[in-house]
Amino acid sequence: KAGVTQTPRYLIKTRGQQVTLSCSPISGHRSVSWYQQTPGQGLQFLFEYFSETQRNKGNFPGRFSGRQFSNSRSEMNVSTLELGDSALYLCASSLARESSSYEQYFGPGTRLTVT
Amino acid sequence: QKEVEQNSGPLSVPEGAIASLNCTYSDRGSQSFFWYRQYSGKSPELIMFIYSNGDKEDGRFTAQLNKASQYVSLLIRDSQPSDSATYLCAVKVAGNQFYFGTGTSLTVIP
Repeated sequence: KAGVTQTPRYLIKTRGQQVTLSCSPISGHRSVSWYQQTPGQGLQFLFEYFSETQRNKGNFPGRFSGRQFSNSRSEMNVSTLELGDSALYLCASSLARESSSYEQYFGPGTRLTVT
Repeated sequence: QKEVEQNSGPLSVPEGAIASLNCTYSDRGSQSFFWYRQYSGKSPELIMFIYSNGDKEDGRFTAQLNKASQYVSLLIRDSQPSDSATYLCAVKVAGNQFYFGTGTSLTVIP
């Protein structure tokens, strides 16, 4: 079974621009979560989508948004980029069914650099 | 207070020794507990999960959970240089939301 895929793997953007990142979960997984990882803050939760609905949201400004499609693929968008948005953005998928233990599997990440 | 706390290390152990990694969490409603391994420049890789009090063993790895003490640990037996990585503790709370610790850096010395 293929793992979680993320595109693009690397991005360089300029302050003020916007960016869209894409994530395809493991086949059959309906939950997709997004995280930001920086050396200083570690892994921080952005949001989680399940069946095209945002179920949970972390403490990030409204510039960070996301969506999920009917095939469970997800995108996240960051508008008006700031230097502090430079980070590794990770997507994780899980079955998220009551009978499972909800373990999440991560994609390879998108390395975003804002200059 | 952070939801999940780990000793950042670095933790150094000789090859063949037991590495012990610890994690505490603040939410008593936490339901499931996970250990991830992250090599430098790579994404986290799930190595263990546990949701009942006690021990769970998988090969050289043992996860231990004590909900009364809000404590979860990971033991790595017969440590190998390839185990050198950052180990992340994660906790799932209600609603499928996860909190991660900042990780413990482990170095296994040949």
